[in-house]
Amino acid sequence: DTGVSQDPRHKITKRGQNVTFRCDPISEHNRLYWYRQTLGQGPEFLTYFQNEAQLEKSRLLSDRFSAERPKGSFSTLEIQRTEQGDSAMYLCASSAGLAGGYEQYFGPGTRLTVT
Amino acid sequence: TQLLEQSPQFLSIQEGENLTVYCNSSSVFSSLQWYRQEPGEGPVLLVTVVTGGEVKKLKRLTFQFGDARKDSSLHITAAQPGDTGLYLCAGARDYKLSFGAGTTVTVRA
Repeated sequence: DTGVSQDPRHKITKRGQNVTFRCDPISEHNRLYWYRQTLGQGPEFLTYFQNEAQLEKSRLLSDRFSAERPKGSFSTLEIQRTEQGDSAMYLCASSAGLAGGYEQYFGPGTRLTVT
Repeated sequence: TQLLEQSPQFLSIQEGENLTVYCNSSSVFSSLQWYRQEPGEGPVLLVTVVTGGEVKKLKRLTFQFGDARKDSSLHITAAQPGDTGLYLCAGARDYKLSFGAGTTVTVRA
């Protein structure tokens, strides 16, 4: 079990550019979550998947954000036309769900800086 | 607005002292999880408490879930410099977590 991995760890981009982040959950975890964390705050829920189905999206997830989990394994989070307010740590977590419990295990995060 | 309020926001103590971090809410949660986060890293799960009144011990750390499942506390006995970090509580409802803003704990050698 290698844990949740995220790529890249750091991303610096200019305002208006598109960025994409990848998350690989713990193998056989069927639930995958995305959170955003800004300085001095705890993580805030963005969206979650059960297998390949996106079941809930926070109102924090504007139209510029899109997340996918096409084969129920890894997930991508894309931000289009980035704004300075998008600068944050983007965290991915996974859980086993009904069979294995709802405890969520987090990856190391992707730190996004929009200049 | 975060559903969970943590106090204190910052805590600085000497090695060997005890400390308690509080996590309060007006909402009921199906479970509550405590995490520790290092700078530039993701949160690491410490413990999950599920039953109202539950107490769990993890070496020098003691976690308690309130009877009404709205609040929790984390107590560290004889703190060590390795306990330094950001402690986050998170309440679970509908499969997603709502986090507090965290308590930054610094243990001085």
